[in-house]
Amino acid sequence: GDSVTQMEGPVTLSEEAFLTINCTYTATGYPSLFWYVQYPGEGLQLLLKATKADDKGSNKGFEATYRKETTSFHLEKGSVQVSDSAVYFCALSGGSYIPTFGRGTSLIVHP
Amino acid sequence: NAGVTQTPKFQVLKTGQSMTLQCAQDMNHNSMYWYRQDPGMGLRLIYYSASEGTTDKGEVPNGYNVSRLNKREFSLRLESAAPSQTSVYFCASSDSFRVAKNIQYFGAGTRLSVL
Repeated sequence: GDSVTQMEGPVTLSEEAFLTINCTYTATGYPSLFWYVQYPGEGLQLLLKATKADDKGSNKGFEATYRKETTSFHLEKGSVQVSDSAVYFCALSGGSYIPTFGRGTSLIVHP
Repeated sequence: NAGVTQTPKFQVLKTGQSMTLQCAQDMNHNSMYWYRQDPGMGLRLIYYSASEGTTDKGEVPNGYNVSRLNKREFSLRLESAAPSQTSVYFCASSDSFRVAKNIQYFGAGTRLSVL
């Protein structure tokens, strides 16, 4: 079946540091890939998505590129802020009604 | 824009008590979902409803029941609460007929403690 593996956290960074959160997946066919973000005390919300190979999703300074050859969708940001502190979930949708989520990676950004 | 609304936001139960978590969406979505979130476990799907009139088990359905009351509402019932059901519960919805559109929209969650 489909699966998503993302790096364990917490990831702790200083403000303005570069961020990478790794995500790899296993799926049949050509899934859509997503990053969701969960701020403290809130539900998940979509951060960005990519629907086909080599697509780059971007939002709020975050980027991720759909790499089919390496089955990866790593999340990056050039300069993190304290307000980026949250839990980030990688997910895929393979066309069924049931998306598959990774376990989440906690990001802590210090001033 | 309300999106997905969950009630209550917090609840404390005693072992053996029952309760229903309510969820409603105003986006005219076809599919709705219930998840639980536990530390280190990520999101686990309890039940889902692909469309009005249908419900199916997810990964962890034991101890729960659901009702898709209409297109807008999807409730989750705990018949006899157990401490193992202490968790944060999220309802989500999606327009699921096309792969690229299967974005999930989440409510703010219900924080449940079973003593």
